[in-house]
Amino acid sequence: GAVVSQHPSWVICKSGTSVKIECRSLDFQATTMFWYRQFPKQSLMLMATSNEGSKATYEQGVEKDKFLINHASLTLSTLTVTSAHPEDSSFYICSARAPGQGYTGELFFGEGSRLTVL
Amino acid sequence: SQQGEEDPQALSIQEGENATMNCSYKTSINNLQWYRQNSGRGLVHLILIRSNEREKHSGRLRVTLDTSKKSSSLLITASRAADTASYFCATYSSNTGKLIFGQGTTLQVKP
Repeated sequence: GAVVSQHPSWVICKSGTSVKIECRSLDFQATTMFWYRQFPKQSLMLMATSNEGSKATYEQGVEKDKFLINHASLTLSTLTVTSAHPEDSSFYICSARAPGQGYTGELFFGEGSRLTVL
Repeated sequence: SQQGEEDPQALSIQEGENATMNCSYKTSINNLQWYRQNSGRGLVHLILIRSNEREKHSGRLRVTLDTSKKSSSLLITASRAADTASYFCATYSSNTGKLIFGQGTTLQVKP
């Protein structure tokens, strides 16, 4: 089945540094990917929709200059947390639409990236 | 923004028992999906039910949908310790083009 790979699975960084998280669709092309954020024992909050070849669409309240999203190819989307602070510590999960199921179908999720900012 | 509530927030049962989780949502939907998340991992799609369907089965899973009440339930029969995970409902609305998740139910199945 379709696989979404996310890297790194965990990262620890110092406050003020930037961190890049990669999301790859391994055996299918994903024109659209979604980035979610999850705090401990909470649900997933949609941060942004990443569109190949165009600008990402951010949800209300998500700072686009803080969370840079680039979807330069049909198999790769990246999320860069710029000038990270401790409050950015969270679990970030990417997903892509399952191929052949249209816009309303299931999503395939990466394994998530746990970011800890010291 | 979250779509709705899931009930209960936490559920603890013995292996072999059935587990029922409920989900309510607020807006009109094209479909409702259930996902499973093991601790610290990504989500895995379990089942999708369309807005014109009332019930769907997949193995030990049974999902119902009541669009008049804007609610859905997930039943896991003959639970196993390996079913221990968080379960999320998610709704897709063509109005928004997004999949929005509920709060989730944490299920613990004791061996």
